[in-house]
Amino acid sequence: QKEVEQDPGPLSVPEGAIVSLNCTYSNSAFQYFMWYRQYSRKGPELLMYTYSSGNKEDGRFTAQVDKSSKYISLFIRDSQPSDSATYLCAMSAEGTYKYIFGTGTRLKVLA
Amino acid sequence: NAGVMQNPRHLVRRRGQEARLRCSPMKGHSHVYWYRQLPEEGLKFMVYLQKENIIDESGMPKERFSAEFPKEGPSILRIQQVVRGDSAAYFCASSPLAGGEAFFGQGTRLTVV
Repeated sequence: QKEVEQDPGPLSVPEGAIVSLNCTYSNSAFQYFMWYRQYSRKGPELLMYTYSSGNKEDGRFTAQVDKSSKYISLFIRDSQPSDSATYLCAMSAEGTYKYIFGTGTRLKVLA
Repeated sequence: NAGVMQNPRHLVRRRGQEARLRCSPMKGHSHVYWYRQLPEEGLKFMVYLQKENIIDESGMPKERFSAEFPKEGPSILRIQQVVRGDSAAYFCASSPLAGGEAFFGQGTRLTVV
C-alpha cells in the first residue's frame, strides 16, 4: 500500500463546476499537508499549505484535512479552463523534512 | 523576488557522461530539496540539504548520485556515468523553514541517449 493514494483521473468537468480532489494516506504522523498544481512540463506550483486538521480557504480554493479519516480534499469553486492541470497532494510528518507526494489527479475543465 | 531557479532546463547526455543540475533557492531560503519525476508518476524525494549540510539523502541512490549545497553558490545534483534509466525531470524546491512551505523550480529535464 502506498503511503499516499490519489485517483489519477482524468477528471472532466464543465466550466463553472465545483471540483473536489482527494487524497488518502496511511501514516498517522503526517501533520503538514499541501496541494500543488502542475501544468504540463512545468514545475509544481504551491496552492495550499495547512497544518494538522481543519479548513483553509484562499480565493476559489478550499483545503480540508480530516486526520481522523486520514483524508484530505481540495475544492475548486467556479472552475475555469485555466484550472486544467494535474493536482498533486503532498504531506510530511513533524520532524521529517521530506514531502510524500500523491501521483496526481489530471483535471480538465471544459469551456 | 525571483523564484527557485534551475538550470539548465533541458540536458542531453550520452550514456556514461556526467550530468550536473543546478538550483538557486529563493532569496532567504536555506533549505533545499531535490525530487525526481518520471512520466505519469508523482514526485519522489531524493535529498534534503541545508547550507553545507546533507540532512536526509534517503531517497538518493548510493551509487553515482551526489548532492551539495555550498556556503556560496547554488545547490548541485550530480549524476555520474548516467544510464538511460536516469532520464527524468528533476525538480528542486526550497523553503524558509525545515518542513515548511516548499516552492519548486521549473525543473531540469534530463535525457540520456
